[in-house]
Amino acid sequence: GNSVTQMEGPVTLSEEAFLTINCTYTATGYPSLFWYVQYPGEGLQLLLKATKADDKGSNKGFEATYRKETTSFHLEKGSVQVSDSAVYFCALSPYNTDKLIFGTGTRLQVFP
Amino acid sequence: ETGVTQSPTHLIKTRGQQVTLRCSSQSGHNTVSWYQQALGQGPQFIFQYYREEENGRGNFPPRFSGLQFPNYSSELNVNALELDDSALYLCASSLDSLRGLPGSGGYTFGSGTRLTVV
Repeated sequence: GNSVTQMEGPVTLSEEAFLTINCTYTATGYPSLFWYVQYPGEGLQLLLKATKADDKGSNKGFEATYRKETTSFHLEKGSVQVSDSAVYFCALSPYNTDKLIFGTGTRLQVFP
Repeated sequence: ETGVTQSPTHLIKTRGQQVTLRCSSQSGHNTVSWYQQALGQGPQFIFQYYREEENGRGNFPPRFSGLQFPNYSSELNVNALELDDSALYLCASSLDSLRGLPGSGGYTFGSGTRLTVV
């Protein structure tokens, strides 16, 4: 079946630190991969996506590369800010559908 | 564009009751999906509606049902509420169902309705 596994949080960092949030997936065929962010009291916002192997999604300084050989889509940012504090969800969409399958989320806390 | 609006924001119901949650989709978006997010978990797909017809369903029992209206609004109905139905319910709209195309995840999510069943 299709599933997404994320590293557990919370991830606690100082401002300007390097961020990595690990995400691996299991899927049949060729899914599309996504990172969504959820700020307190708000809905989910699409952060970035990649639709095929070796694609790199990027947005607001965040990056993730679709690695088919390791079935991974790790989220990285070179220098986090306090405003990046939120819950981050890795998700996949199976081929030929736009249904989203989410991981359990990773809470990021950035301190000044 | 006005985004996706959900109502109410919070709701408390008693076990066995019925509840209707509402969603006003982004203008022009003819596809709406509903997700259930239990505390500390990722959202789980309930079902999707495309042009007022159900277009895919997740692993949820029939007491979860929905409707989509021509004015881009939609409803999620849950009958015979159980304690485990307590969750944040998210509505997400997109411009078009992808029907046979690779997923784009191009959804706009609402802020959700927090349902508590006691």
